[in-house]
Amino acid sequence: EAEVAQSPRYKITEKSQAVAFWCDPISGHATLYWYRQILGQGPELLVQFQDESVVDDSQLPKDRFSAERLKGVDSTLKIQPAELGDSAMYLCASSTISYEQYFGPGTRLTVT
Amino acid sequence: GEDVEQSLFLSVREGDSSVINCTYTDSSSTYLYWYKQEPGAGLQLLTYIFSNMDMKQDQRLTVLLNKKDKHLSLRIADTQTGDSAIYFCAETLSAGGGNKLTFGTGTQLKVEL
Repeated sequence: EAEVAQSPRYKITEKSQAVAFWCDPISGHATLYWYRQILGQGPELLVQFQDESVVDDSQLPKDRFSAERLKGVDSTLKIQPAELGDSAMYLCASSTISYEQYFGPGTRLTVT
Repeated sequence: GEDVEQSLFLSVREGDSSVINCTYTDSSSTYLYWYKQEPGAGLQLLTYIFSNMDMKQDQRLTVLLNKKDKHLSLRIADTQTGDSAIYFCAETLSAGGGNKLTFGTGTQLKVEL
């Protein structure tokens, strides 16, 4: 069964450092989402791509976060500089034109 | 505005039925979802219902939607210890075609022997 891949699974970084997460969606899924899940809460959308174009980045803190999906396949989410409040699970999801979003295993970020 | 609420905890005995409830505020919701999250893992799509339906059944799972009261529930029949997890209710709107999911805070289901 096809799955969304994410790496790394865990990342520990010091504040003010740069960190990057990678996501490879299910093959053929044109839509890719990055969500952030703070412990004890539900995920919240950071950015959505349709192919290589950003559809929604209204909740992305653009002063420190950036996301790209250059060839419309895999995607990278970057944080620079990381802050203590960025500690969370970063989840990637993908979908076709249907309303079914499939999530990857996530990257657990700890900022010290 | 968008707001999805769930109770925080539910404890049931193995073999009993579990009912997890969710309320939402946006009447424009088109699809409503149930996701399951086990510790340290991503979210698993369990089932979803279109807003013009009032019930959907899939094996041990039954989803009920009361659109008038903006209430969604997930019933798990014959609950097993493997069902212990956090269950998230989510909604999506059709406006703008973004399909952004808005999640509740999650209900932690504990299944006891």
